[in-house]
Amino acid sequence: KQEVTQIPAALSVPEGENLVLNCSFTDSAIYNLQWFRQDPGKGLTSLLLIQSSQREQTSGRLNASLDKSSGRSTLYIAASQPGDSATYLCAVQWGKLQFGAGTQVVVTP
Amino acid sequence: SAVISQKPSRDICQRGTSLTIQCQVDSQVTMMFWYRQQPGQSLTLIATANQGSEATYESGFVIDKFPISRPNLTFSTLTVSNMSPEDSSIYLCSVEDWQTYEQYFGPGTRLTVT
Repeated sequence: KQEVTQIPAALSVPEGENLVLNCSFTDSAIYNLQWFRQDPGKGLTSLLLIQSSQREQTSGRLNASLDKSSGRSTLYIAASQPGDSATYLCAVQWGKLQFGAGTQVVVTP
Repeated sequence: SAVISQKPSRDICQRGTSLTIQCQVDSQVTMMFWYRQQPGQSLTLIATANQGSEATYESGFVIDKFPISRPNLTFSTLTVSNMSPEDSSIYLCSVEDWQTYEQYFGPGTRLTVT
């Protein structure tokens, strides 16, 4: 069964610390993996897409890595800010997009 | 990236009624997707809508409850029929970039059924 797991479910850090969010998946035969951000009661904002053939993607303070052999992806957010507070969702495409349950992040000033 | 709008943004409906949610994209796309996000939960795919063909529903979702229209390459509707409080959720529309397979989401429709 293809499953996506995100640990931890919630995370609180002081402003300025680096954030490390983990995503694991059960089947390495993926097309791609995508990280999203969701603010309360809102839609999803695409942060990074990593194709199956790639090892990482970077956008500003965000860096996402992909290790298919171990079934893991990590999203790093450098120098966190209160505006980074949101739920971060990992989604794996095996045909259709399958989502993890998300990590709720709070960055305290 | 695609820009997606949804109407209504939120609604409060009575049990037994139906609501139609509209999704508009600023560019032509082949595949459109409808998701449901129940309170405190992650996203679940309801169906995939391709223009010119019947929507494909995921396990647990049926056309009588969630009829979908896809009249052209920029527009789709999802109807939530004969609503019950269990249908209270955020409903999201998304599209896929045919070149990169990146998915983009609309702002969602927050539905409360009383």
